[in-house]
Amino acid sequence: GIQVEQSPPDLILQEGANSTLRCNFSDSVNNLQWFHQNPWGQLINLFYIPSGTKQNGRLSATTVATERYSLLYISSSQTTDSGVYFCAVDPGEDSWGKLQFGAGTQVVVTP
Amino acid sequence: DAGVTQSPTHLIKTRGQQVTLRCSPKSGHDTVSWYQQALGQGPQFIFQYYEEEERQRGNFPDRFSGHQFPNYSSELNVNALLLGDSALYLCASSSDSWMGYNEQFFGPGTRLTVL
Repeated sequence: GIQVEQSPPDLILQEGANSTLRCNFSDSVNNLQWFHQNPWGQLINLFYIPSGTKQNGRLSATTVATERYSLLYISSSQTTDSGVYFCAVDPGEDSWGKLQFGAGTQVVVTP
Repeated sequence: DAGVTQSPTHLIKTRGQQVTLRCSPKSGHDTVSWYQQALGQGPQFIFQYYEEEERQRGNFPDRFSGHQFPNYSSELNVNALLLGDSALYLCASSSDSWMGYNEQFFGPGTRLTVL
């Protein structure tokens, strides 16, 4: 099956800093989603981004499907940005709808 | 607009017992998927239901079964519970679209502990 790798595994930031999280995938995909998991386990949708660039406030994401990677940018980080960030891909075709998650990036933002 | 809801929030069972978890999809969605998330790992796909039938299945044993009702809500059943079944169980809903847009939205999860 498709492999999804996220880096870095852990990230410690001071409030106000910027950061980039990366997601590599091993095969072409139908779509890609970024999620933020809060301490209570809720997965919050950040972006649905099979290709191109999107922005939402201090967050933005870029997916280069031809090169099989996606980037999530966090600018001017706040303590509320702490949590685990997951990238998930939908392989499509025979595996339509079977989201394959990476292992996540644990982000800690300190005051 | 209510999002995806799940019940119960927490559950404690003993080995060998059976458990049923419930999920109501987001309004307007007709497809429900279930995921298992062990501590410190990413969610793993269990199966997906559409039109009351299992459409996709991940690498989980037959002890894991499900059902979808005419109102699109769904149940996940796990028989003969093992200690390794302890995890956060997440339900996601989406809209089956010929346009290829199938963003999945997740519920708050059910935390199952098997003793």
